[in-house]
Amino acid sequence: SQQGEEDPQALSIQEGENATMNCSYKTSINNLQWYRQNSGRGLVHLILIRSNEREKHSGRLRVTLDTSKKSSSLLITASRAADTASYFCATVSYYGGSQGNLIFGKGTKLSVKP
Amino acid sequence: EAQVTQNPRYLITVTGKKLTVTCSQNMNHEYMSWYRQDPGLGLRQIYYSMNVEVTDKGDVPEGYKVSRKEKRNFPLILESPSPNQTSLYFCASSPYLGPPSGTQYFGPGTRLLVL
Repeated sequence: SQQGEEDPQALSIQEGENATMNCSYKTSINNLQWYRQNSGRGLVHLILIRSNEREKHSGRLRVTLDTSKKSSSLLITASRAADTASYFCATVSYYGGSQGNLIFGKGTKLSVKP
Repeated sequence: EAQVTQNPRYLITVTGKKLTVTCSQNMNHEYMSWYRQDPGLGLRQIYYSMNVEVTDKGDVPEGYKVSRKEKRNFPLILESPSPNQTSLYFCASSPYLGPPSGTQYFGPGTRLLVL
């Protein structure tokens, strides 16, 4: 069952610009995580935001969470060519008998042009 | 180095020929999971294990088996592979699953082609 849905599906920007990706989900969650995947490689955890948090920062990453709208956004500031990757949101929920597994969205493909 | 390893990384096989993809983690994690990734579908969970001898189905378990005899290993078994199991497979592990956690560490992936 797909929980998160990222938007846009693809994003192309110039180096130095900011990149914003959005994620919407359907059910109550305990936390939401963002992962990055370089082409064909394993996913790397970027940041986790808990359901009682509204905003979190990590380096050039800023994540917001609006549980009333069931949505999150990932902002990458001053993007670099090395940020080119696919970005996935994933939710963790223990509500309604859920086991707390990670449920992933389909991802946003970010391309940062030098 | 703390890591999740998968073998093989690439595999071409034929329909019906049993295969096993191994997964091993050296972080003493309780939780392990298998995902498949297909274009346009994102990552979907196949099976997961919350501890030794405890496994459960994910969203797409049909055609797969797993076992968890030791904490560090979680092999994925395809008894009779079919072309619709051609995919990119990821193993992942996590130190604990209780809230508010769930962060997972992913292996490098196994690209499987079933002819």
